[in-house]
Amino acid sequence: AQSVTQLGSHVSVSEGALVLLRCNYSSSVPPYLFWYVQYPNQGLQLLLKYTSAATLVKGINGFEAEFKKSETSFHLTKPSAHMSDAAEYFCAVRRSGAGSYQLTFGKGTKLSVIP
Amino acid sequence: EAGVAQSPRYKIIEKRQSVAFWCNPISGHATLYWYQQILGQGPKLLIQFQNNGVVDDSQLPKDRFSAERLKGVDSTLKIQPAKLEDSAVYLCASSPLGDLSTDTQYFGPGTRLTVL
Repeated sequence: AQSVTQLGSHVSVSEGALVLLRCNYSSSVPPYLFWYVQYPNQGLQLLLKYTSAATLVKGINGFEAEFKKSETSFHLTKPSAHMSDAAEYFCAVRRSGAGSYQLTFGKGTKLSVIP
Repeated sequence: EAGVAQSPRYKIIEKRQSVAFWCNPISGHATLYWYQQILGQGPKLLIQFQNNGVVDDSQLPKDRFSAERLKGVDSTLKIQPAKLEDSAVYLCASSPLGDLSTDTQYFGPGTRLTVL
C-alpha cells in the first residue's frame, strides 16, 4: 500500500523567504509522486509530478521538488514566497506500472505568507 | 478550454435525507473520479469511471452512496440516506485516456455538503 506523510499542517513564511513543504512517502514499488495546490473554495491544481524521469522536477509558479529515494522524500520548494502562494498544498502518491491505481493524498499543509 | 463543472456548490441537508451531486468533466476526458474531502484531510477516492464503466469503487460506502456515469460523459453521485459524518467537500476530477498512473487529474471546484 502507498501512503504519504506531510510534516506540518501549517507553515508560515515571510514574503520573499524560502518555502519548504515536506513530504515523505511509503511505497512497496517505485512510486509516482505529485504535488497539488488548493486555493480557498477551489478545486486542486497540479503543481508538478515525478514519473521516474529526472529526479528534480520543476513545476508551475516557480515551485520545484526533488525525489530522493534514499530518504523516501519529495519535498516542495520555492526560493522566494509571494503573497499569492498562500494556499493549501497536498502531496500525493500513486503506484507505478500498468493498471489503474488510486492517487493517495496526504493531509495537506496550509501555507501562510506574511507580508 | 472549459474546466470540470460541478453543481450545486453548496448543499445543506438534515440527516437521513437524500442528496445528489452533478459533475460535467472536461470534454473528451474518458476518466472521471469522485473524491470526498473531509475538513483537515486530503481527498479520498470514492469511485473512478473509465468511459461509463467503473474501474475502482473499493472505498465507496455502497450501502448509502451510489454513482453513475451515463453515456460516458456527465456523472451523478448520490447519498441516501445521509449521515452527519458525510459532511465534506465532494470533488469531481477528470483525466484524458492515457497512462492512468501519470495522467494529470483536473479538479472541479467541489460541492460542500453540510449534514445537520
